[in-house]
Amino acid sequence: DQQVKQNSPSLSVQEGRISILNCDYTNSMFDYFLWYKKYPAEGPTFLISISSIKDKNEDGRFTVFLNKSAKHLSLHIVPSQPGDSAVYFCAAMGGYQKVTFGIGTKLQVIP
Amino acid sequence: DAEITQSPRHKITETGRQVTLACHQTWNHNNMFWYRQDLGHGLRLIHYSYGVHDTNKGEVSDGYSVSRSNTEDLPLTLESAASSQTSVYFCASSGSGGDGYTFGSGTRLTVV
Repeated sequence: DQQVKQNSPSLSVQEGRISILNCDYTNSMFDYFLWYKKYPAEGPTFLISISSIKDKNEDGRFTVFLNKSAKHLSLHIVPSQPGDSAVYFCAAMGGYQKVTFGIGTKLQVIP
Repeated sequence: DAEITQSPRHKITETGRQVTLACHQTWNHNNMFWYRQDLGHGLRLIHYSYGVHDTNKGEVSDGYSVSRSNTEDLPLTLESAASSQTSVYFCASSGSGGDGYTFGSGTRLTVV
């Protein structure tokens, strides 16, 4: 049973436009939600997180929105750049630092 | 600078062999984790440890074991490698708070 779901395996966006990556979760007990970025042949790197008590967190071009009633979060990248092309994993942290990951969304930013 | 390193980066082994993947971190993190990444499954938790001599099973622990004798290292052992264990393995560590994990660069394991 997937607790963290990323339903879009891939997304293509023009450079300069907004990229929106979506994620749904089923467990209301998660404390934090995170986004990781992964390039080929590298480990995932932490991008941005949001506490379950917040509804928005912004860091430069990256903003994460959390809708607890819908159990939905999204990552907005504005403006998108070719270097943003990567696989993005949505993740949720419960007790004791345990993190559950989604299957990832491959973002391609077209120059 | 603190880091987390995995070795080897690539490994080919035969079915039935015992294989150990190394993970070493200098963050002084208490928490360490092993994940495997497979197409269509994302990252799945194999084993994890919250400190020295503590180990716990994750969602896909069958056929794997870990031991934690110090803070820095959490080696992952495949007792008898199977073709289903061909995958990319990632080690991660974390402290406290909501910034999640720091990952190693991964080990690509092929079981033939």
